[in-house]
Amino acid sequence: KQEVTQIPAALSVPEGENLVLNCSFTDSAIYNLQWFRQDPGKGLTSLLLIQSSQREQTSGRLNASLDKSSGRSTLYIAASQPGDSATYLCAVRNDYKLSFGAGTTVTVRA
Amino acid sequence: DVKVTQSSRYLVKRTGEKVFLECVQDMDHENMFWYRQDPGLGLRLIYFSYDVKMKEKGDIPEGYSVSREKKERFSLILESASTNQTSMYLCASSLPGTARETQYFGPGTRLLVL
Repeated sequence: KQEVTQIPAALSVPEGENLVLNCSFTDSAIYNLQWFRQDPGKGLTSLLLIQSSQREQTSGRLNASLDKSSGRSTLYIAASQPGDSATYLCAVRNDYKLSFGAGTTVTVRA
Repeated sequence: DVKVTQSSRYLVKRTGEKVFLECVQDMDHENMFWYRQDPGLGLRLIYFSYDVKMKEKGDIPEGYSVSREKKERFSLILESASTNQTSMYLCASSLPGTARETQYFGPGTRLLVL
């Protein structure tokens, strides 16, 4: 059974600092890994999807890396802004199923 | 844009009531999913449907059933609600078949069972 862990559970940084969010998973036989953003009381929005054959994906200030062999992914958010405050969830796909981590809640202080 | 809608944002029900949560997607997706989200536990899959009238149990199906009579609609049913089913319920849909398959989520229904 796939287990996904996100550390830290919460993070508070001043505006402008770079953010580093970590995700680890136990079963490396994955199709892809996704990072989602969730605002309080809302659904999930997909940020980045990395296929199992890829090492990283970038979108604007966001960069996600994948090391499948060690079961790790890292989400980097450059030059954080207060609008980046949210919970970030990592999910890995094994056949049709997504397995989620519990998330990292980020607060960016103005 | 894919749109996934859920019938209620907030629900308050009594123990023992039958509860229906509805989800509708407008992108002709074959796959639909129901999750529950609890603090510290992340999202856990309750049921999955890959076609009309087809369903598969997820990780925590006990106490729940589902119905998919039309492709765009997937219902989650709590036959006899209990307090431990108080949670945030999220519906998602996806188009299967590629390594880039991604799930699109609805806004969630926060259910309180008293």
